[in-house]
Amino acid sequence: EPEVTQTPSHQVTQMGQEVILRCVPISNHLYFYWYRQILGQKVEFLVSFYNNEISEKSEIFDDQFSVERPDGSNFTLKIRSTKLEDSAMYFCASSEGRGTFTDTQYFGPGTRLTVL
Amino acid sequence: DAKTTQPPSMDCAEGRAANLPCNHSTISGNEYVYWYRQIHSQGPQYIIHGLKNNETNEMASLIITEDRKSSTLILPHATLRDTAVYYCIVRVNNDMRFGAGTRLTVKP
Repeated sequence: EPEVTQTPSHQVTQMGQEVILRCVPISNHLYFYWYRQILGQKVEFLVSFYNNEISEKSEIFDDQFSVERPDGSNFTLKIRSTKLEDSAMYFCASSEGRGTFTDTQYFGPGTRLTVL
Repeated sequence: DAKTTQPPSMDCAEGRAANLPCNHSTISGNEYVYWYRQIHSQGPQYIIHGLKNNETNEMASLIITEDRKSSTLILPHATLRDTAVYYCIVRVNNDMRFGAGTRLTVKP
């Protein structure tokens, strides 16, 4: 069964460094998403991406964050200058793009980001 | 904020049905109810979704009341591997608004 994959599974970085988290969405999906989950807290929406542009973003997704689909398969989340509070699990998701309320999102296993 | 209310925790005996309730009294006519679960810190796993009819798949059944103000996710024969946090989500936009969910513990 096709699934969303994410690399790396764990990323450790120093505060102020740039990190890029990578995701390979399900191959025929058109919508892509990033979520994060700080330890012990809720899963929070960051951004959705469709047709090579951001379609929605939350207040968390500030200028420190950017997303890109650099080729036909990868979808990346870049954090420009990491802060301690960026430490979290980051989940990528994808959906077919059939319509908002019936478009099921499938999540990857996550990348655990630790900022020291 | 999430438009749903779920009990924070529930227990279920292995092999028995697990019935997880969710209240969504402010749901609108075109909003779907989605259920996901999260085992440890793994990615949320899609379970099932519905609009107004009851739905069943290989994982679970979803019962939605006629007024759509509440629903119940049923795991017919719970196993230890079903221990997880279960999230009931009413789709508002393209983003999924996760609440705190129900922590289901399946006990031997």
